[in-house]
Amino acid sequence: GAGVSQTPSNKVTEKGKYVELRCDPISGHTALYWYRQSLGQGPEFLIYFQGTGAADDSGLPNDRFFAVRPEGSVSTLKIQRTERGDSAVYLCASSLIAGVQETQYFGPGTRLLVL
Amino acid sequence: QQQVKQSPQSLIVQKGGISIINCAYENTAFDYFPWYQQFPGKGPALLIAIRPDVSEKKEGRFTISFNKSAKQFSLHIMDSQPGDSATYFCAATGDDFGNEKLTFGTGTRLTIIP
Repeated sequence: GAGVSQTPSNKVTEKGKYVELRCDPISGHTALYWYRQSLGQGPEFLIYFQGTGAADDSGLPNDRFFAVRPEGSVSTLKIQRTERGDSAVYLCASSLIAGVQETQYFGPGTRLLVL
Repeated sequence: QQQVKQSPQSLIVQKGGISIINCAYENTAFDYFPWYQQFPGKGPALLIAIRPDVSEKKEGRFTISFNKSAKQFSLHIMDSQPGDSATYFCAATGDDFGNEKLTFGTGTRLTIIP
């Protein structure tokens, strides 16, 4: 079966532009997570959804970042007025249900470069 | 605030040797400790995980040792193979609010040489 997919795989944009990053979770997975991984670092939590609602958005760095999951499946991470410091790999993960011991399956990530 | 500290940053081990990666955590509310393996250009993949009520868990060549009183845990890779060359992340999850988000260490880049 298909794993978590993310599009685009790479995105180059200019400072100040708006970008959208898409995540398709594993079919049937109700929990979806976004993480950001800077070069040489571990992934850092951004936000997670249980179904359509954001259960925890405490990791979003500021109000330029926003994520939606309108139908409880595909999610989009939106970044307004991009800054060079937003350059990173944005990872999406999904799990069958939300739970501390539930395995999170990661996608390959979207590599965002802000020039 | 780095809640999970990982060492070493990089590690070179000869084929057939034992690779050891160490992690320490601060938040005593953490109650699940997975290890993830990441190859270049790929997302992290779960390797093995342990709960704090167990001191050791073994799956094939991979073993987690857990010391709750010291708030430390480690990954041991026995008979290390070139295919094990990857970046390894320890992580922790669960907090005062039962939160499922993963808190990762900074990663260890493991290289297995012939």
